[in-house]
Amino acid sequence: AQKVTQAQTEISVVEKEDVTLDCVYETRDTTYYLFWYKQPPSGELVFLIRRNSFDEQNEISGRYSWNFQKSTSSFNFTITASQVVDSAVYFCARSYIPTFGRGTSLIVHP
Amino acid sequence: DAGVIQSPRHEVTEMGQEVTLRCKPISGHDYLFWYRQTMMRGLELLIYFNNNVPIDDSGMPEDRFSAKMPNASFSTLKIQPSEPRDSAVYFCASSRDRGATEAFFGQGTRLTVV
Repeated sequence: AQKVTQAQTEISVVEKEDVTLDCVYETRDTTYYLFWYKQPPSGELVFLIRRNSFDEQNEISGRYSWNFQKSTSSFNFTITASQVVDSAVYFCARSYIPTFGRGTSLIVHP
Repeated sequence: DAGVIQSPRHEVTEMGQEVTLRCKPISGHDYLFWYRQTMMRGLELLIYFNNNVPIDDSGMPEDRFSAKMPNASFSTLKIQPSEPRDSAVYFCASSRDRGATEAFFGQGTRLTVV
């Protein structure tokens, strides 16, 4: 099976620290898509970002940024100046049928 | 659109009983996915449909599980008979295509089998 690996099970930081969530994927497809989702304590899964395999430009959206490196099959997610509201489980996924990693639980302490 | 709607939000049932989970996808989305989330196994894909047709049910754990999509706006996941190990959160998701666009998830059904 083509896996998505999130090696970090849980990360604990103090508010205002920067934190990077790692994601490594396997795929045999030449064209594919990668996603990050957030699952807050309320339980719903919220889509954050989608990247296609042709576009390796890093992306920044407010405090969030994503680093996609095809050479290492990685799609890492950085939160700058973390806040308590960022506490959630974050999932990396790849296409084509959405396949998810095990998730990284981020705990941000005040 | 109201998003993907799942019902019920919570279900507690006794072992051996039949359980039916329901999902209304976003209008215009051709793909519907059923996932199960547990601490042990994470988010597992159970089955997905394209234009109401089941395409891949290899993730369905056993014959006790079945899923249908009688029309573009409704799908069910049935467990008969239910067992305690079926306790999990079941998510339904829909998307416009097979994976080039994001999947939108319902709020999930938390199933507890006692």
